[in-house]
Amino acid sequence: GEDVEQSLFLSVREGDSSVINCTYTDSSSTYLYWYKQEPGAGLQLLTYIFSNMDMKQDQRLTVLLNKKDKHLSLRIADTQTGDSAIYFCAECLLGAGNNRKLIWGLGTSLAVNP
Amino acid sequence: KAGVTQTPRYLIKTRGQQVTLSCSPISGHRSVSWYQQTPGQGLQFLFEYFSETQRNKGNFPGRFSGRQFSNSRSEMNVSTLELGDSALYLCASSWDSYGYTFGSGTRLTVV
Repeated sequence: GEDVEQSLFLSVREGDSSVINCTYTDSSSTYLYWYKQEPGAGLQLLTYIFSNMDMKQDQRLTVLLNKKDKHLSLRIADTQTGDSAIYFCAECLLGAGNNRKLIWGLGTSLAVNP
Repeated sequence: KAGVTQTPRYLIKTRGQQVTLSCSPISGHRSVSWYQQTPGQGLQFLFEYFSETQRNKGNFPGRFSGRQFSNSRSEMNVSTLELGDSALYLCASSWDSYGYTFGSGTRLTVV
């Protein structure tokens, strides 16, 4: 089946690291993404990782992928109040005829407390 | 480079009416995908268009349809609106699978 799960809420103190976790069920995913959504706004692509990679680092963001456990995580170092938002995990499934679709988690609401 | 533009930003319609939403992708992007976002169901894939052809379709009733023009602009149509169609409709454009750029969405309210 196609399913992506995330915990719904995370609260951290400013300056701490945040770790948002995601699990997925379809092992045929090609890419996995992390998107950020602020209130009233669309989705902003934060980072992505190819399914054949284990880790990707991009400034304060570190993505870890465990293909065996179908587990993806996003670590935000030195979390700031501006990081407060909903974070979505998504996997890209490639089907026959090169058609693609993204399967989304319900999002993790990150609250950063001063 | 201009981003993905969705119009209108807000829309209020009555049950039974129909609505058309528009999406202009980033210049050079040929893939346009549509998603419905609701608090209860999260983001649900509607369909993807590539070079004017529907490449993939989600599990929505036939009241939801779309099309893509030769300039890659896309429209989404919902006929016979129901209260449950109230949602944020997001459009995303992509050049390849590396990333999808989203517009700000159209918030549709059905009363």
